[in-house]
Amino acid sequence: SQQGEEDPQALSIQEGENATMNCSYKTSINNLQWYRQNSGRGLVHLILIRSNEREKHSGRLRVTLDTSKKSSSLLITASRAADTASYFCATDATDSWGKLQFGAGTQVVVTP
Amino acid sequence: DAGITQSPRHKVTETGTPVTLRCHQTENHRYMYWYRQDPGHGLRLIHYSYGVKDTDKGEVSDGYSVSRSKTEDFLLTLESATSSQTSVYFCAISDQDGAYEQYFGPGTRLTVT
Repeated sequence: SQQGEEDPQALSIQEGENATMNCSYKTSINNLQWYRQNSGRGLVHLILIRSNEREKHSGRLRVTLDTSKKSSSLLITASRAADTASYFCATDATDSWGKLQFGAGTQVVVTP
Repeated sequence: DAGITQSPRHKVTETGTPVTLRCHQTENHRYMYWYRQDPGHGLRLIHYSYGVKDTDKGEVSDGYSVSRSKTEDFLLTLESATSSQTSVYFCAISDQDGAYEQYFGPGTRLTVT
């Protein structure tokens, strides 16, 4: 079963706009990670946020984590066409050491 | 890409035949993983390795076996391929204890007819 569920499943925006996607999970976690996958390629790690952190930034990415609601959000600011990809959250559950569980992903299309 | 290669990149095989996929890394990372990716399911862990000859099952291990005789190579074998094993298979590596950043290979698209 999937630990993380992303929402929305698909998102279409124009260049320059912000893109926000959410991830909900079911059990306690050690950390939550976000990955990007371009079409036909492997996943690329974007950012990791630990369970005792609430917000983290990396370039144009901002991730928040609310452990009380078991949810996280990924914000991409000032989107570019190159941000077109699928985005996945992955959780490291406390009862599943060393194993990441991935959600089904959000497909983001950024049009020029 | 981190130094991870997968071979073959594409394969078509018939039901009932054995298939072996290879993951090769040049990073000397301790941990290696095999995932499958299917529409609507994200990535699901098949097997993983935490050292040479040390492997364990993931959530979808039935019908798959793995071997790791060298640090750099992690093999995934489908003993008798079935159509339900048609998927894209990804290998990943990590050098950290626990579930931290993983580096992914380019994937192998397997079709079982």
